[in-house]
Amino acid sequence: GAGVSQSPRYKVAKRGQDVALRCDPISGHVSLFWYQQALGQGPEFLTYFQNEAQLDKSGLPSDRFFAERPEGSVSTLKIQRTQQEDSAVYLCASSSGQASYEQYFGPGTRLTVT
Amino acid sequence: SQKIEQNSEALNIQEGKTATLTCNYTNYSPAYLQWYRQDPGRGPVFLLLIRENEKEKRKERLKVTFDTTLKQSLFHITASQPADSATYLCALQDTGRRALTFGSGTRLQVQP
Repeated sequence: GAGVSQSPRYKVAKRGQDVALRCDPISGHVSLFWYQQALGQGPEFLTYFQNEAQLDKSGLPSDRFFAERPEGSVSTLKIQRTQQEDSAVYLCASSSGQASYEQYFGPGTRLTVT
Repeated sequence: SQKIEQNSEALNIQEGKTATLTCNYTNYSPAYLQWYRQDPGRGPVFLLLIRENEKEKRKERLKVTFDTTLKQSLFHITASQPADSATYLCALQDTGRRALTFGSGTRLQVQP
């Protein structure tokens, strides 16, 4: 595809359930980022991959959050034992990782924990 | 602590006027500063990037300035159009780090 895609677009989970959010970056982009965006706020960094290597996970809020990118393309963000405070939009972005630093964002997954 | 401030109040202007949005930061020495546009229900879209050693960058009707002494960036949209109505986010990037730190954004409303 031409852009970053994410699935599902909307997810409702009961508190305590595990969820998995998927990101398909732009083909050939080596860098992949996950951000969390609360209503009315800017995106907050969660984690960064370069190819399959997770180089920065300093933004993950707790050990319930886990991300992977095993083949250096598609990435999955997993949240275990979801809590109400996890409700947010989860954005994925990719970047060519060469000389450019701009990031291309997907539409996001809106997670609601009830 | 590090802080990025954007005017949280919406900016309302008339079509054809120049919109100026402000991004101030403290306790930060960014190597790059980026501006993104975000429409409701969509992800941010990259607009412009300016480096710490650049004072000004232009692209069509957009202009960004970067003053590392004042720790401020200004984002201008000239000849604004209703289609420019959106939330505009500034984002800072440290040297050697790929993660972006975003401000909370300023909503711009251009009245026809």
